[in-house]
Amino acid sequence: AQKITQTQPGMFVQEKEAVTLDCTYDTSDQSYGLFWYKQPSSGEMIFLIYQGSYDEQNATEGRYSLNFQKARKSANLVISASQLGDSAMYFCAMREGRNFNKFYFGSGTKLNVKP
Amino acid sequence: DADVTQTPRNRITKTGKRIMLECSQTKGHDRMYWYRQDPGLGLRLIYYSFDVKDINKGEISDGYSVSRQAQAKFSLSLESAIPNQTALYFCATSSPGEERSNQPQHFGDGTRLSIL
Repeated sequence: AQKITQTQPGMFVQEKEAVTLDCTYDTSDQSYGLFWYKQPSSGEMIFLIYQGSYDEQNATEGRYSLNFQKARKSANLVISASQLGDSAMYFCAMREGRNFNKFYFGSGTKLNVKP
Repeated sequence: DADVTQTPRNRITKTGKRIMLECSQTKGHDRMYWYRQDPGLGLRLIYYSFDVKDINKGEISDGYSVSRQAQAKFSLSLESAIPNQTALYFCATSSPGEERSNQPQHFGDGTRLSIL
């Protein structure tokens, strides 16, 4: 089974609107971490936000928030007030394992923000 | 200066050539990783190293080898390059994260490798 599933290969959103990028994960560990990265067309991987499995509050970083639903094993990224510069690939990732030594990435969602 | 530096940034070469991609980091992290990225497939782990004496195969290690020359340096080699190894290659680092899961991986800017 895939560890990280991103079911939206591509999405469009109107500038200034909010958008949700879906991510589900599979783990039997009690303690794990979830991450989102942004990859603009220039190629670099930019870390956006982190959610720990024991965190009771959803993580927020500026316009990014993570909608964490532990029972459903989902960790959706919400981008509020989309900007043209948000157009990029977005990857969901998970860190788990003994000493948290394993990282897994989803296949990504390409977001296009329309003016 | 970037914390994780990959060289070269771009490389075009021919089938059968030996290629080395280099990665150096100034973050002081023990753990280093090599990934490749193909369109629609996300990142796949090639090799990883938790310290200088520890090298581990990842998901897709066939056709690749690595060397951890020092804590700060981790190189990836393609012994005899083939066209389906054309991809974007990333080096990443992380801190050990014992008892903490919140340490992300830090990525270099990637190496675009084309094999003709």
